[in-house]
Amino acid sequence: QLVLTQSPSASASLGASVKLTCTLSSGHSSYDIAWHQQQAEKGPRYLMKLNSDGSHTKGDGIPDRFSGSSSGAERYLSISSLQSEDEADYYCQTWGTGILVFGGGTKLTVL
Amino acid sequence: QVQLQESGPGLVKPSQTLSLTCTVSGGSISSGDYYWSWIRQPPGKGLEWIGYIYYSGSTYYNPSLKSRVTISVDTSKNQFSLKLSSVTAADTAVYYCARAGTRAPLDVWGKGTTVTVSS
Repeated sequence: QLVLTQSPSASASLGASVKLTCTLSSGHSSYDIAWHQQQAEKGPRYLMKLNSDGSHTKGDGIPDRFSGSSSGAERYLSISSLQSEDEADYYCQTWGTGILVFGGGTKLTVL
Repeated sequence: QVQLQESGPGLVKPSQTLSLTCTVSGGSISSGDYYWSWIRQPPGKGLEWIGYIYYSGSTYYNPSLKSRVTISVDTSKNQFSLKLSSVTAADTAVYYCARAGTRAPLDVWGKGTTVTVSS
């Protein structure tokens, strides 16, 4: 079964860097994923497509502070020079034939 | 630039059918390169995929909702629609429409519309 696992919460200081993790279920380590950001009281925004080889393609207008990387079944979202507006929920998402799956989301707090 | 906009009643009574429409602007729903999706988010919870449709009418649904969901497309109006039958309070959520490329992620989202199930 295709499942994405995320830690419920993370925190980092203003100006610092943070790395969020999304883990693919066993047998699915070759899957590409996407990262989405959801700020409070807003709809989700597509950040990037992250491939299993670590290459990534960002959506329009996504700052260079956002980047992605991969290792085995782990997919990462890194944010550098944290700003207050980066405080949000971050969801990973993947897809298969006739199915679309979301991780449970990570709530990022900027201290 | 493609934009999506959800519309429909904000209040639905229990046991009735929830009906929403997503209007696509800035691009054609018939382009053949995309799947058109519905996603929902209950209050305080995460995102749940409901299903998606190809312009030809082919549909795929979340198995947990499949018995109650119908997604359809109207290419003449550049719209696609969601019907969810026999709703309960558990179906109260913000409903989003979104676009996904073939073998690609969701890359354009609507702003969402809140639907409350209550008598």
